This record gives sequence, C-alpha cells and structure tokens, in this order.
Amino acid sequence: QVRLQESGPGLVKPSQTLSLTCTVSGDSINSETKSWSWIRQHPGKGLEWIGNIYYSGNTYYSPSLRSRISISLDTSENKFSLNLTSVTAADTAIYYCARVRRGGSRGVYYSYMDVWGKGTTVTVSS
Amino acid sequence: DVQMTQSPSSLSASVGDRVTVTCRASQSISKFLNWYQHKAGEAPKLLIYATSNLHVAVPSRFRGSGSGTDFTLTISTLQPEDFATYYCQQTYSSPWTFGQGTRVEI
Repeated sequence: QVRLQESGPGLVKPSQTLSLTCTVSGDSINSETKSWSWIRQHPGKGLEWIGNIYYSGNTYYSPSLRSRISISLDTSENKFSLNLTSVTAADTAIYYCARVRRGGSRGVYYSYMDVWGKGTTVTVSS
Repeated sequence: DVQMTQSPSSLSASVGDRVTVTCRASQSISKFLNWYQHKAGEAPKLLIYATSNLHVAVPSRFRGSGSGTDFTLTISTLQPEDFATYYCQQTYSSPWTFGQGTRVEI
C-alpha cells in the first residue's frame, strides 16, 4: 500500500524559510510514470496547487509562488521536499503532498493525484 | 491561468438523494478534469480522473461527465459517508487549478 507522510515544523516565524518533507512508502519516487506534488489549503479555503517534481528533477511551480519555492527529490531516502522562503501569515495553511499518476494512450496523457498524505498544519507567526 | 468555478458552493441533501455538482472551466480543457472528495482532517481522495474514469475502489454511484468547459459530478444515491467537500481540478495546463469546492451537507 502506498503511503505519503508529510513532516516539518508546525510553527514558522515570519520571513523565515518553511521546509517540509514528504516520505513515500510502498512506491519508488524514481519512476518515469509518476511525479510528486505539493498542495496547500488555507484556513477555511479550497485547495491550491503549489508545484510538481518529476523523476528527472524537472519542476513546475505555481506562478504565484515561483519566486519563493523549490521542490527537490531525495531518491536515496525516497522522499521529496518543499522549501518556501520569506514566509508570511498568508502562508499559514495545511500542506499536503501527493503522488501524481499519468495515464492515457495515443499521445493523450492525463495527470491526476491518486494518493495523498494526511497533511501537516503550518502556522506562520512570531 | 484556467479558472475553475464550481456550483453550488454548498448544498443540503438527504441520504438517498441524487446530487449533482457542476464545474466550469474558463477555457476549454478537453477532458483533463479530476474530482476529489475531502473530509476535514483527512487526506483528499481521488474519485474520478480524466472526466469520467472511476478511480479504484470508488463506488459506482459516483459518475463524472462533460468535456471542454462544462463538467458534472453526479452521486446517484447519496450515502452517509458521502457528506464531504468535493473539488474539481484541471490538469490541462499549468498552473493546475482547483475549483473552490462544493460542500455536501445534511
């Protein structure tokens, strides 16, 4: 069974860097048919896609966060990480990691997040 | 960015009801549309991918349809465990975007 588990500090001070890790079990992050994603949910709000990383190391980021984020892979420990710099109260949210599958045929491939972690709450406050 | 608009934002229903949630994209996204179910304190769950494909172990009472800009999630016979918030998501173009959610409550 594939499981994803987010970990990291629950409280971060403004202007500091938020670092979260997603540990994957039951699957290898080193796979051509999958990518790995971060998503967040602000209090009382909907879901916001943050970015993806592929086995090749290629990344795709939300334009609204691109200047402050980086996502990386650690294949030796089968985990991937999110760094978000210069955080403010607006970064207070539940952060989820997810596995992204890619399926299809005849040149048309659909992406979807089929396994999610339970989320970790991050509060930005002094 | 592709904007995803769900309606209604919330609805009240009873066990056994037929429930329909709609999702509209600001531009054509072909069939690159997924549906998720989310309960507070839990991980979101994939229900349907590529508009109409049921994810593994998802009950057949869930059905997705649509194409282009207009999509629908239908729950044929609402069960107690279906009370949750439902999100659509487009993966046609980056940045991937979600609808604002539809809360299904008693």
